[in-house]
This record gives sequence, C-alpha cells and structure tokens, in this order.
Amino acid sequence: DARVTQTPRHKVTEMGQEVTMRCQPILGHNTVFWYRQTMMQGLELLAYFRNRAPLDDSGMPKDRFSAEMPDATLATLKIQPSEPRDSAVYFCASGPDRPNTEAFFGQGTRLTVV
Amino acid sequence: ILNVEQSPQSLHVQEGDSTNFTCSFPSSNFYALHWYRWETAKSPEALFVMTLNGDEKKKGRISATLNTKEGYSYLYIKGSQPEDSATYLCAVLNQAGTALIFGKGTTLSVSS
Repeated sequence: DARVTQTPRHKVTEMGQEVTMRCQPILGHNTVFWYRQTMMQGLELLAYFRNRAPLDDSGMPKDRFSAEMPDATLATLKIQPSEPRDSAVYFCASGPDRPNTEAFFGQGTRLTVV
Repeated sequence: ILNVEQSPQSLHVQEGDSTNFTCSFPSSNFYALHWYRWETAKSPEALFVMTLNGDEKKKGRISATLNTKEGYSYLYIKGSQPEDSATYLCAVLNQAGTALIFGKGTTLSVSS
C-alpha cells in the first residue's frame, strides 16, 4: 500500500530548539511539496521540489526554515530556532512528474512549540 | 502570487439535498486544477484533476466542471449524504508548474 510517510506524527518542543520533520515520498514520485496548515491561512505552500531540486520555496521564512531532499526517498523540513508561532500541522505530499496528476498527502506532523 | 478563492466558506445541508461550491483563480496563471476532499483527522485525498477548458469529471454523486477562460470551477454533490461531510479543497497548479496553491476550502456538513 503506497503512501507518503511523515515522522514524527507529533512533536512538542521548547522555543528556541531545532525541529526536523521528515517525509518519505511514494516510491517513484519525483515531486514533493511541504505545506503548513493554519486556521487563518489554510494550507500554505512552503516548498516544492522536483527531482530533488527546489522549484519554489518563496512561501518559506528563510531566516529559520530550510527544506532539503538529501535523496529521492527523504525530504526534510527544519526549523531553527523554533518559535511558538510555528505551531501548526505540517503536511508533505508527493506526486509523479505529470502536471495532470494529483498530489498524495502524508498524515502530517503536528508541531507544538511552547 | 496566485490567489485561489473558494466559496462559500461553509455550508450546511440536509441529507438528500444537492449542493455546489465555487473555486476562482486567475485565468492568466493556470495550468491545472485539483479538487480534494479532507475529512477530519485525515489527510486530503484527491477527487479530480482537470486541465482543459470545458472539462467535466464525475465520480459517483460528485462532479466538477472547469472554465479556464473565466477562471472558475464548480464542484457538485448530488443527493448529499452524511458521509459527504468534509472540507472540499481546490488547488491550482500555476502556469509554470512550480507551485500548487490551495484555497481555504468549503466545509460541508450534511445532517440526516
């Protein structure tokens, strides 16, 4: 059963700590998205990778957020240092490199920064 | 910045009612439109992906249409059932294919 896997599912951390969220895209998918879900903004696009290269990360606060794909099976989203306003659910999605196909979402990482 | 608008924000209907939602987007910055269904405590799941003007897609009681020239899509649910209760998200892939931008969704509640 192919699925996008995100770890951890839940994370509580103290302000100022580094947070790393991981995503394993579906095997064979070469596009990866990172979204942040907030009540006010809904799903905000943070980063979009194709073939491991970042296509768009304009929605990501560059001073503290970074996204990488060290290999085709792993995407990471890091926040350093974390702040209480970063508390949200972070979703990863992957898809094949065809514009007329859907994105498949992971179950999300719920981050709480206290 | 690609702005995707959905209306209404929320909707409450009775079982058996038919309903529809709207998604608006700038026609000048469009490649594809996605509809997703998002149930509470789950992840969004795709319903349809459409690219061509005049496209119509159907899955059971749910259907969608696309007008790329005027920049809108409609999602229709015929004979709503309580299990249709969810948030319905529209997303637009921009013309360059570099960003998939979501609207804030329409939350549907169906009472039996």
